[in-house]
Amino acid sequence: QKEVEQDPGPLSVPEGAIVSLNCTYSNSAFQYFMWYRQYSRKGPELLMYTYSSGNKEDGRFTAQVDKSSKYISLFIRDSQPSDSATYLCAMSLNSGGYQKVTFGTGTKLQVIP
Amino acid sequence: EPEVTQTPSHQVTQMGQEVILRCVPISNHLYFYWYRQILGQKVEFLVSFYNNEISEKSEIFDDQFSVERPDGSNFTLKIRSTKLEDSAMYFCASNTDRSNYGYTFGSGTRLTVV
Repeated sequence: QKEVEQDPGPLSVPEGAIVSLNCTYSNSAFQYFMWYRQYSRKGPELLMYTYSSGNKEDGRFTAQVDKSSKYISLFIRDSQPSDSATYLCAMSLNSGGYQKVTFGTGTKLQVIP
Repeated sequence: EPEVTQTPSHQVTQMGQEVILRCVPISNHLYFYWYRQILGQKVEFLVSFYNNEISEKSEIFDDQFSVERPDGSNFTLKIRSTKLEDSAMYFCASNTDRSNYGYTFGSGTRLTVV
């Protein structure tokens, strides 16, 4: 079983739709849960991070973590064409004092005007 | 906003040649990383670097790879004898604190080995 699993998509939605992106993981030692956004030919950009189970909201974005189910989600409300990108989930654990980050494969999102 | 700068943006090299990928991390950052992303695959950890030495490396980071901070600003990844399977996007990242999971990534270097 892969440590982090993410549906690669592509996911195509109309502008204004609510988008749900998901990842599952197998390693219960993961401590931090992150979502990165990656535009074409650019490096990943940190969008949101969470530490505990529950929801965290930032504008149109909500990150949700369910540690008991080993499942994380990112919701995007009122999606915009500028949200079109690849979304990477990432998780980290303490390895020798360092946070070691493991990425999902990324879900490609296209928001159609 | 401070950013991590990588050069070149695209490098084409022949199999067996040496390549050096360059990165300028954010100036007050102390921890540096290289990740790679093969087309269509996930971002994979290669190596972390602090205080002029490697702190951790993955199985991918074999003897063909090396990293260096030759001066106070650059951080380089060298691949000694490139293979076709080294073709990928290589991302440099940095952060201020080793316990800080929020890396700042550069835009990457696309390496194509022919």
